[in-house]
Amino acid sequence: EPEVTQTPSHQVTQMGQEVILRCVPISNHLYFYWYRQILGQKVEFLVSFYNNEISEKSEIFDDQFSVERPDGSNFTLKIRSTKLEDSAMYFCASATLADTQYFGPGTRLTVL
Amino acid sequence: GQQVMQIPQYQHVQEGEDFTTYCNSSTTLSNIQWYKQRPGGHPVFLIQLVKSGEVKKQKRLTFQFGEAKKNSSLHITATQTTDVGTYFCAGTRQAGTALIFGKGTTLSVSS
Repeated sequence: EPEVTQTPSHQVTQMGQEVILRCVPISNHLYFYWYRQILGQKVEFLVSFYNNEISEKSEIFDDQFSVERPDGSNFTLKIRSTKLEDSAMYFCASATLADTQYFGPGTRLTVL
Repeated sequence: GQQVMQIPQYQHVQEGEDFTTYCNSSTTLSNIQWYKQRPGGHPVFLIQLVKSGEVKKQKRLTFQFGEAKKNSSLHITATQTTDVGTYFCAGTRQAGTALIFGKGTTLSVSS
């Protein structure tokens, strides 16, 4: 069964450093999403991407964040200058037009 | 903005007892999805409800979508220890848009 994959599984970085989180969505999906989950809290929407552009973003997704689909398979989330409060699990999800979003296993980001 | 509220936050049951979690949205939803997350894991899709008043069953799990498409519930009959985890509801305003998650209900089951 096809699934969303994410790398790395765990990323440790120093405050102020840039990180890039990578996702490979399910191959025939058209909608791509990033969510985050701070430890013990609910899943929060960051951004959605469709037709090579951002279709929706939340208040969390400020100028420090950017997304890219550099080729036909990868979908990346970049955080330019990480802050302590960016520490969280970051989940990528993808969907067809049918709406069901399938989540990847997540990247645990730890900012020191 | 749109909010999705979920209760209870925690529920502990004895194995064999039933369990229900409730989800309410401040606005009408296009659809609602339910996810299960085990400790340390990622949200795993359980089901999607689209139609007003829809009821779907998966073995011991029963999902309902309210007539007004603003509330939903998940009921587990005769819980087992394998049901342990956090159950999230998540709704969308329209197709393709962001999922707004509830805070989840964490279920623990003792044998």
